[in-house]
Amino acid sequence: QVQLVQSGAEVKKPGASVKVSCKASGYTFTDYDINWVRQAPGQGLEWMAWLNPNDGNTGHAEKFQGRLSITRDTPIGTAYMELSSLTSEDTAVYYCARQFYSASGSLGYWGQGTLVTVSS
Amino acid sequence: EIVLTQSPGTLSLSPGERATLSCRASHSLSSSFVAWYQQKRGQAPRLLIYGVFNRATGIPDRFSGSGSGTDFTLTISRLEPEDFAVYFCQQHGTSPYSFGQGTKLEI
Repeated sequence: QVQLVQSGAEVKKPGASVKVSCKASGYTFTDYDINWVRQAPGQGLEWMAWLNPNDGNTGHAEKFQGRLSITRDTPIGTAYMELSSLTSEDTAVYYCARQFYSASGSLGYWGQGTLVTVSS
Repeated sequence: EIVLTQSPGTLSLSPGERATLSCRASHSLSSSFVAWYQQKRGQAPRLLIYGVFNRATGIPDRFSGSGSGTDFTLTISRLEPEDFAVYFCQQHGTSPYSFGQGTKLEI
Protein backbone atom coordinates (compact mmCIF):
# COMPACT_ATOMS: atom_id res chain seq x y z
CA GLN A 1 0.00 0.00 0.00
CA VAL A 2 1.09 3.57 -0.62
CA GLN A 3 2.84 5.09 2.37
CA LEU A 4 4.56 8.41 2.95
CA VAL A 5 6.61 8.54 6.14
CA GLN A 6 7.97 11.88 7.24
CA SER A 7 10.83 12.78 9.56
CA GLY A 8 10.24 13.78 13.14
CA ALA A 9 9.37 17.05 14.82
CA GLU A 10 11.88 19.89 14.79
CA VAL A 11 12.50 22.93 16.96
CA LYS A 12 14.44 25.72 15.31
CA LYS A 13 15.56 29.23 16.21
CA PRO A 14 14.56 32.23 14.10
CA GLY A 15 16.85 32.59 11.12
CA ALA A 16 17.70 28.90 10.97
CA SER A 17 16.77 26.36 8.30
CA VAL A 18 14.81 23.12 8.52
CA LYS A 19 14.86 20.09 6.24
CA VAL A 20 11.94 17.64 6.31
CA SER A 21 12.09 14.27 4.57
CA CYS A 22 9.27 12.22 3.07
CA LYS A 23 10.00 8.56 2.31
CA ALA A 24 7.65 6.94 -0.17
CA SER A 25 6.86 3.25 -0.46
CA GLY A 26 4.30 0.97 -2.06
CA TYR A 27 4.54 2.48 -5.56
CA THR A 28 7.08 3.62 -8.14
CA PHE A 29 8.46 6.85 -6.71
CA THR A 30 9.10 8.50 -10.07
CA ASP A 31 5.55 8.00 -11.37
CA TYR A 32 3.75 10.59 -9.24
CA ASP A 33 4.35 14.16 -8.15
CA ILE A 34 4.89 14.97 -4.49
CA ASN A 35 3.41 18.17 -3.06
CA TRP A 36 4.20 19.98 0.17
CA VAL A 37 1.41 21.58 2.20
CA ARG A 38 1.63 23.24 5.60
CA GLN A 39 -0.84 24.05 8.34
CA ALA A 40 -0.18 26.62 11.05
CA PRO A 41 -1.72 25.91 14.48
CA GLY A 42 -5.50 26.22 14.29
CA GLN A 43 -5.35 27.41 10.70
CA GLY A 44 -6.16 26.08 7.24
CA LEU A 45 -4.05 24.34 4.64
CA GLU A 46 -1.44 26.25 2.68
CA TRP A 47 -0.03 24.77 -0.52
CA MET A 48 3.71 25.28 -0.82
CA ALA A 49 5.24 23.37 -3.72
CA TRP A 50 5.25 20.39 -6.07
CA LEU A 51 8.04 18.07 -7.18
CA ASN A 52 8.23 15.81 -10.18
CA PRO A 53 10.47 13.01 -8.84
CA ASN A 54 11.15 11.75 -12.35
CA ASP A 55 12.97 14.83 -13.65
CA GLY A 56 13.37 16.90 -10.50
CA ASN A 57 11.28 19.78 -11.79
CA THR A 58 9.58 21.84 -9.11
CA GLY A 59 7.11 24.67 -8.71
CA HIS A 60 6.30 26.65 -5.61
CA ALA A 61 4.14 29.41 -4.22
CA GLU A 62 5.63 32.84 -4.80
CA LYS A 63 5.62 33.72 -1.10
CA PHE A 64 8.40 31.19 -0.50
CA GLN A 65 10.58 32.50 -3.32
CA GLY A 66 14.24 32.31 -2.45
CA ARG A 67 13.94 30.33 0.78
CA LEU A 68 12.28 27.06 -0.24
CA SER A 69 14.14 24.14 -1.78
CA ILE A 70 12.44 20.92 -2.88
CA THR A 71 14.70 18.01 -3.80
CA ARG A 72 14.62 14.24 -4.06
CA ASP A 73 16.85 11.19 -3.76
CA THR A 74 15.38 8.85 -6.32
CA PRO A 75 17.28 5.63 -5.40
CA ILE A 76 15.87 5.76 -1.89
CA GLY A 77 12.44 7.11 -2.86
CA THR A 78 12.64 10.17 -0.66
CA ALA A 79 11.60 13.79 -1.18
CA TYR A 80 12.90 16.72 0.87
CA MET A 81 11.59 20.16 1.74
CA GLU A 82 14.07 22.69 3.07
CA LEU A 83 12.90 26.07 4.31
CA SER A 84 15.40 28.73 5.32
CA SER A 85 15.33 32.06 7.17
CA LEU A 86 12.69 30.74 9.51
CA THR A 87 10.43 33.04 11.52
CA SER A 88 7.71 32.31 14.04
CA GLU A 89 5.23 32.51 11.15
CA ASP A 90 6.73 29.27 9.81
CA THR A 91 5.63 27.31 12.88
CA ALA A 92 3.34 24.70 11.38
CA VAL A 93 2.74 21.06 10.59
CA TYR A 94 4.33 20.31 7.23
CA TYR A 95 2.81 17.56 5.09
CA CYS A 96 4.03 15.80 2.00
CA ALA A 97 1.29 14.40 -0.22
CA ARG A 98 1.19 12.38 -3.43
CA GLN A 99 -0.96 12.87 -6.48
CA PHE A 100 -4.02 10.66 -6.37
CA TYR A 101 -3.30 9.67 -9.97
CA SER A 102 -0.83 10.80 -12.59
CA ALA A 103 -1.63 14.19 -14.18
CA SER A 104 -3.89 15.15 -11.29
CA GLY A 105 -3.10 17.69 -8.61
CA SER A 106 -5.58 16.18 -6.19
CA LEU A 107 -3.68 14.74 -3.26
CA GLY A 108 -4.74 11.22 -2.48
CA TYR A 109 -2.00 10.08 -0.11
CA TRP A 110 -0.55 12.08 2.76
CA GLY A 111 2.32 11.75 5.15
CA GLN A 112 1.69 11.91 8.87
CA GLY A 113 2.94 15.49 9.10
CA THR A 114 6.02 17.01 10.70
CA LEU A 115 5.65 19.72 13.33
CA VAL A 116 8.20 22.48 12.93
CA THR A 117 8.34 24.93 15.81
CA VAL A 118 10.28 28.16 15.41
CA SER A 119 11.08 29.75 18.73
CA SER A 120 13.90 31.67 20.33
CA GLU B 1 -3.37 33.71 -7.65
CA ILE B 2 -6.79 32.06 -7.40
CA VAL B 3 -8.52 32.66 -4.07
CA LEU B 4 -11.05 30.12 -2.84
CA THR B 5 -13.69 31.29 -0.36
CA GLN B 6 -15.61 28.65 1.55
CA SER B 7 -18.95 29.20 3.25
CA PRO B 8 -20.21 28.95 5.82
CA GLY B 9 -17.24 29.10 8.17
CA THR B 10 -19.05 26.84 10.61
CA LEU B 11 -22.07 24.64 9.95
CA SER B 12 -24.03 23.23 12.88
CA LEU B 13 -26.18 20.21 12.05
CA SER B 14 -27.37 16.93 13.52
CA PRO B 15 -26.71 13.35 12.42
CA GLY B 16 -29.09 12.35 9.66
CA GLU B 17 -29.36 15.88 8.27
CA ARG B 18 -28.06 17.07 4.91
CA ALA B 19 -24.98 19.29 4.71
CA THR B 20 -24.21 21.67 1.87
CA LEU B 21 -20.75 23.26 1.77
CA SER B 22 -19.82 25.96 -0.72
CA CYS B 23 -16.54 26.91 -2.38
CA ARG B 24 -16.33 30.01 -4.57
CA ALA B 25 -13.30 30.80 -6.73
CA SER B 26 -12.02 34.24 -7.65
CA HIS B 27 -11.53 33.09 -11.25
CA SER B 28 -13.25 30.43 -13.32
CA LEU B 29 -11.79 26.96 -12.79
CA SER B 30 -11.51 23.94 -15.01
CA SER B 31 -13.83 21.29 -13.62
CA SER B 32 -11.06 18.73 -13.73
CA PHE B 33 -9.07 20.56 -11.10
CA VAL B 34 -11.28 20.91 -8.04
CA ALA B 35 -10.96 18.62 -5.03
CA TRP B 36 -12.45 18.34 -1.55
CA TYR B 37 -10.74 17.08 1.60
CA GLN B 38 -11.88 16.12 5.08
CA GLN B 39 -9.65 16.71 8.07
CA LYS B 40 -10.22 15.47 11.59
CA ARG B 41 -8.38 16.86 14.59
CA GLY B 42 -4.80 15.71 14.76
CA GLN B 43 -4.96 13.89 11.42
CA ALA B 44 -3.75 14.55 7.91
CA PRO B 45 -6.38 15.58 5.37
CA ARG B 46 -8.17 12.84 3.43
CA LEU B 47 -9.18 13.18 -0.21
CA LEU B 48 -12.94 12.89 -0.64
CA ILE B 49 -13.72 14.23 -4.11
CA TYR B 50 -11.55 14.93 -7.17
CA GLY B 51 -12.44 16.37 -10.56
CA VAL B 52 -15.44 18.13 -8.95
CA PHE B 53 -17.67 15.06 -8.61
CA ASN B 54 -15.54 11.87 -8.49
CA ARG B 55 -15.37 10.09 -5.16
CA ALA B 56 -11.94 8.90 -4.08
CA THR B 57 -11.30 5.29 -3.14
CA GLY B 58 -13.44 4.10 -0.25
CA ILE B 59 -15.49 7.29 0.10
CA PRO B 60 -19.17 6.56 0.86
CA ASP B 61 -21.76 7.61 -1.67
CA ARG B 62 -23.41 10.01 0.78
CA PHE B 63 -20.60 12.40 -0.26
CA SER B 64 -21.10 14.13 -3.60
CA GLY B 65 -19.55 17.07 -5.40
CA SER B 66 -20.94 19.40 -8.01
CA GLY B 67 -20.42 22.77 -9.65
CA SER B 68 -18.63 24.55 -12.45
CA GLY B 69 -17.00 27.85 -13.29
CA THR B 70 -16.52 29.64 -9.97
CA ASP B 71 -19.04 27.84 -7.74
CA PHE B 72 -18.58 24.37 -6.33
CA THR B 73 -20.46 22.40 -3.71
CA LEU B 74 -19.82 19.43 -1.47
CA THR B 75 -22.99 17.72 -0.26
CA ILE B 76 -23.27 15.12 2.47
CA SER B 77 -26.69 13.60 2.09
CA ARG B 78 -27.21 12.08 5.55
CA LEU B 79 -24.70 13.01 8.18
CA GLU B 80 -23.07 10.25 10.17
CA PRO B 81 -21.34 10.98 13.50
CA GLU B 82 -17.92 10.45 11.87
CA ASP B 83 -18.58 13.19 9.29
CA PHE B 84 -18.21 16.03 11.79
CA ALA B 85 -14.85 17.49 10.82
CA VAL B 86 -13.30 20.33 8.82
CA TYR B 87 -13.65 20.36 5.03
CA PHE B 88 -11.38 22.10 2.53
CA CYS B 89 -11.74 22.68 -1.18
CA GLN B 90 -8.68 22.95 -3.42
CA GLN B 91 -7.98 24.06 -6.96
CA HIS B 92 -5.02 22.42 -8.67
CA GLY B 93 -5.30 23.78 -12.17
CA THR B 94 -3.29 26.96 -11.72
CA SER B 95 -0.20 27.32 -9.55
CA PRO B 96 -0.21 28.12 -6.67
CA TYR B 97 -2.62 25.26 -5.99
CA SER B 98 -4.70 27.07 -3.39
CA PHE B 99 -7.01 25.77 -0.68
CA GLY B 100 -10.11 27.37 0.75
CA GLN B 101 -9.98 28.42 4.38
CA GLY B 102 -12.18 25.52 5.46
CA THR B 103 -15.70 24.84 6.75
CA LYS B 104 -16.06 23.34 10.20
CA LEU B 105 -18.98 20.93 10.36
CA GLU B 106 -20.05 20.58 13.98
CA ILE B 107 -22.80 18.75 15.81
